[in-house]
Amino acid sequence: ILNVEQSPQSLHVQEGDSTNFTCSFPSSNFYALHWYRWETAKSPEALFVMTLNGDEKKKGRISATLNTKEGYSYLYIKGSQPEDSATYLCALGPGAGNMLTFGGGTRLMVKP
Amino acid sequence: KAGVTQTPRYLIKTRGQQVTLSCSPISGHRSVSWYQQTPGQGLQFLFEYFSETQRNKGNFPGRFSGRQFSNSRSEMNVSTLELGDSALYLCASSLKSMDSPLHFGNGTRLTVT
Repeated sequence: ILNVEQSPQSLHVQEGDSTNFTCSFPSSNFYALHWYRWETAKSPEALFVMTLNGDEKKKGRISATLNTKEGYSYLYIKGSQPEDSATYLCALGPGAGNMLTFGGGTRLMVKP
Repeated sequence: KAGVTQTPRYLIKTRGQQVTLSCSPISGHRSVSWYQQTPGQGLQFLFEYFSETQRNKGNFPGRFSGRQFSNSRSEMNVSTLELGDSALYLCASSLKSMDSPLHFGNGTRLTVT
């Protein structure tokens, strides 16, 4: 059973703050790491899929890095806005198929 | 392009009954996977279908089953419902069966009384 851990569980920041959270996973048998944003009353939305050690992806003010050798990924949000308030999920993908193992998520709340 | 559509949005059933949930993927997507979300367990993988074949199955009892039709639409069935089956069931489609992001539907909220 794969263990995907996310920290912190929740985070309160002020509008304009930059923030980051962590996804940890077993470094052996790594294939792909996904990040999703899940806003209340909406469906999870894909942010990034990363497969290579050292991968860095960026989408607007959000970026992510991947270290497969040590088994972690960071998600960064620059200049947080209230609309960034959501739960951010990471998930580990297997060698084949879409059987993702999700972490428990980090719930971000941005105060105006 | 229409997104992933799940029906119904809400369901209330009684213990012992069975239920069928439906999912229409994004046009052109051949992989459909199902996830269960409960407050205590987070998102857990149920199964994945690709071109009408089940590719993977999660650690759920045999009461949970599914299928995929030739148009890629998928159904999930739960028989002999238990209280613990109350959850949000999410369906996701993707272009490929690995390496590509999942596109989720809005889910079906199942309540078992």
